[in-house]
Amino acid sequence: ETGVTQTPRHLVMGMTNKKSLKCEQHLGHNAMYWYKQSAKKPLELMFVYSLEERVENNSVPSRFSPECPNSSHLFLHLHTLQPEDSALYLCASSLSSASYEQYFGPGTRLTVT
Amino acid sequence: RKEVEQDPGPFNVPEGATVAFNCTYSNSASQSFFWYRQDCRKEPKLLMSVYSSGNEDGRFTAQLNRASQYISLLIRDSKLSDSATYLCVVNKSPNAGGTSYGKLTFGQGTILTVHP
Repeated sequence: ETGVTQTPRHLVMGMTNKKSLKCEQHLGHNAMYWYKQSAKKPLELMFVYSLEERVENNSVPSRFSPECPNSSHLFLHLHTLQPEDSALYLCASSLSSASYEQYFGPGTRLTVT
Repeated sequence: RKEVEQDPGPFNVPEGATVAFNCTYSNSASQSFFWYRQDCRKEPKLLMSVYSSGNEDGRFTAQLNRASQYISLLIRDSKLSDSATYLCVVNKSPNAGGTSYGKLTFGQGTILTVHP
């Protein structure tokens, strides 16, 4: 149940703040993902990393900046966010970027005030 | 048109009922299909893959119709613990869409509440 962890679990930030979300996977996977889940909308893929290399940037605004220092850790750096960025941010990992089964972390619930 | 469409529900059924969820997808290049389950305020978890011949896992049966681009999930003998949101998920094979990885596309989800 703790294969993918995320911190913090809840975050409230102002529009001028800078914060970072952290994800760690303990499954020996090589691919990691960031998703955004807003109320009443499907999960939206934001970024994909495969072997620490970004392979997808799904038209995400530059106020979201991902970082993958190694295959076990993934960060999402946030700055000058907007209230509409309030959502649940989910990290996931998979054995490889070609693996279809993704394991999700519990998410960070972000509120931008 | 949404890539993956589901009836959002909610479905409210009594314990023991049989309930079916439907899903349609727009991209004919989609190669793999799944149902994920997401409990309230929790992360999505894989429930089952969906195979062309149809497959069953206990009380859950999944069906795929590639010609109609349609996926279904049937839950028999519903339990209270089945209450959750059920997400229909499709995936293109690596390189099918010009990308080097399999990209999961999620439906909005169908909410199920099973009551006593």
